Amino acid sequence: QPVLTQPPSASASLGASVKLTCTLSSGHSTYAIAWHQQQPEKGPRYLMKLNSDGSHDKGDGIPDRFSGSKSGAERYLTISSLHSEDEADYYCQTWGAGAVVFGGGTKLTVL
Amino acid sequence: QVHLVQSGAEVKKPGASVKVSCKASGYTFTGYFVHWVRQAPGQGLEWMGWINPNSGGTDYAQKFQGRVTVTRDTSITTVYMELSRLRSDDTAVYFCARARLGFSDDAFDIWGQGTMVSVSS
Repeated sequence: QPVLTQPPSASASLGASVKLTCTLSSGHSTYAIAWHQQQPEKGPRYLMKLNSDGSHDKGDGIPDRFSGSKSGAERYLTISSLHSEDEADYYCQTWGAGAVVFGGGTKLTVL
Repeated sequence: QVHLVQSGAEVKKPGASVKVSCKASGYTFTGYFVHWVRQAPGQGLEWMGWINPNSGGTDYAQKFQGRVTVTRDTSITTVYMELSRLRSDDTAVYFCARARLGFSDDAFDIWGQGTMVSVSS
């Protein structure tokens, strides 16, 4: 089954943009993934599904500031015009053969 | 509006069992798989398994095989997750989540608020 690798931390300034990365393991580069946001002391919230063709299906109410893209085995979440409330943990998720896998998460700090 | 509302926090002793509920509303209960995910303190998300609320069919992560049982009651649109032979490292927040589009394999688009389960002697 696939493995998802995320850098443990990232930081960017208020109002700036940041691009978070999730890397699929070898042999799984065509998999779709999803991105989830987890603000401090809250449950996860679905942001979007990033399909294998690069298109994405966003969750209800997710601002246009959040977008997804891909390149090879890498999947990206770009957040533009950073707000203070974007400071959170971001997890990628994938699935296959009846199993679900999460990346280790990236903690985003908004400076 | 679509919601998954979970039962409240639990404190259990090692060796006991815990049963957490997840009540669905705002959508056709039998049309979407429901998964369970847990998060130990300060750690990431760990998938446990799923149930097909229509058929009652289930599948579990290998790590939890033999210790976890997921069931549903369609009359009250509620899914249950029971974890037995609890250990201290089962201390975690447990989430239910709905998979999109009626497949077991898909993104989770709705999450419950989480249920804290503490295991301590």
